[in-house]
Amino acid sequence: GQQLNQSPQSMFIQEGEDVSMNCTSSSIFNTWLWYKQDPGEGPVLLIALYKAGELTSNGRLTAQFGITRKDSFLNISASIPSDVGIYFCAGRTTSGTYKYIFGTGTRLKVLA
Amino acid sequence: NAGVTQTPKFQVLKTGQSMTLQCAQDMNHEYMSWYRQDPGMGLRLIHYSVGAGITDQGEVPNGYNVSRSTTEDFPLRLLSAAPSQTSVYFCASSISRDSPLHFGNGTRLTVT
Repeated sequence: GQQLNQSPQSMFIQEGEDVSMNCTSSSIFNTWLWYKQDPGEGPVLLIALYKAGELTSNGRLTAQFGITRKDSFLNISASIPSDVGIYFCAGRTTSGTYKYIFGTGTRLKVLA
Repeated sequence: NAGVTQTPKFQVLKTGQSMTLQCAQDMNHEYMSWYRQDPGMGLRLIHYSVGAGITDQGEVPNGYNVSRSTTEDFPLRLLSAAPSQTSVYFCASSISRDSPLHFGNGTRLTVT
């Protein structure tokens, strides 16, 4: 089945550093979502994007809907230990189906 | 503030056994879906429903059945468990089929 390419797969960063991750697709999407998943829990919605070029913030998190509609980026500024977890992107195509496709996740570890 | 509730949290089955994973939401959401999460694969859609009495197949439906007799409940049935169905299962709902998904905390299933 179709999957999104999400990178990096994992990253170790120092507390206070900024983090960037992205997702790319071969298909055009009309919605991008970013989720965070903590161990033993379900994914929690961070940011939703609905228009090409849209830039949306949620606290220290900022996400962008790529102009080509085939990619999206998530930035975390001034990382803190509780940012540890797995971050997933999800996209919905314009094909008329109402199904979200998920990336394989970016595992973030923050070193205090 | 229950949101999406999944039971049980953990389950071990022997090959060939059947069981039902329960999912309930109290947000009056139209859309509900089941995903499985496997290492390195992201979340893959099993079945979904756009309203009571309406269900459809996702990406990996084989070996699973669903029904939607009420808006609140969307159980997932494993007909004859196989080791390949060892996974973490997530139920998700949204207010409409265009809206972001809200996830439960998952059921970790092991089939021996």
